[in-house]
Amino acid sequence: ETGVTQTPRHLVMGMTNKKSLKCEQHLGHNAMYWYKQSAKKPLELMFVYSLEERVENNSVPSRFSPECPNSSHLFLHLHTLQPEDSALYLCASSQGWATGTDTQYFGPGTRLTVL
Amino acid sequence: AQSVAQPEDQVNVAEGNPLTVKCTYSVSGNPYLFWYVQYPNRGLQFLLKYITGDNLVKGSYGFEAEFNKSQTSFHLKKPSALVSDSALYFCAVRDPQGGGNKLTFGTGTQLKVEL
Repeated sequence: ETGVTQTPRHLVMGMTNKKSLKCEQHLGHNAMYWYKQSAKKPLELMFVYSLEERVENNSVPSRFSPECPNSSHLFLHLHTLQPEDSALYLCASSQGWATGTDTQYFGPGTRLTVL
Repeated sequence: AQSVAQPEDQVNVAEGNPLTVKCTYSVSGNPYLFWYVQYPNRGLQFLLKYITGDNLVKGSYGFEAEFNKSQTSFHLKKPSALVSDSALYFCAVRDPQGGGNKLTFGTGTQLKVEL
């Protein structure tokens, strides 16, 4: 897990707050991902960046705003969230995006609670 | 569309006994298949993957999985379970005919290994 780090590990926020989740990968990868993990549900892919360009956006509400300033860093900006957005948010990276064979490596996640 | 099913929410096994965690998939072509493990309050850790070649794939921590095209299955196995194997296991599939490195995950199987 030290290859992909996420901060903070835990976050509690009110519905009117603005916060950001940070992900950093130390693997030299070119693709980065945001997933949402809720109890009893499959992992939901939210966004994918390949070479700093967004290549996937799975109908995620606009209150989630991703940013990828370079291939090593990925942010998820949060504003006016709802209680149902409470979940574990996982970041992942892979060597590439296009081939489909590259393994995704995950960070430890940020446990988000929206009050 | 690609999909994956893990028919068992929980599997219980005694330490030292063999374990099997089941996974079946549905894709339009030949699949890429992955197994991940998640320990409490941690991210997903990669165990093994099948892309092509030998149907029996060996991975980390003594785990292996067998790709069975006729049964569209990719069951995870270990000859002798350890208490430390207790965790949540996810199967994932990637349809090579789709675009990019987009994985579809199952809902997970909780493995409990008891003394």
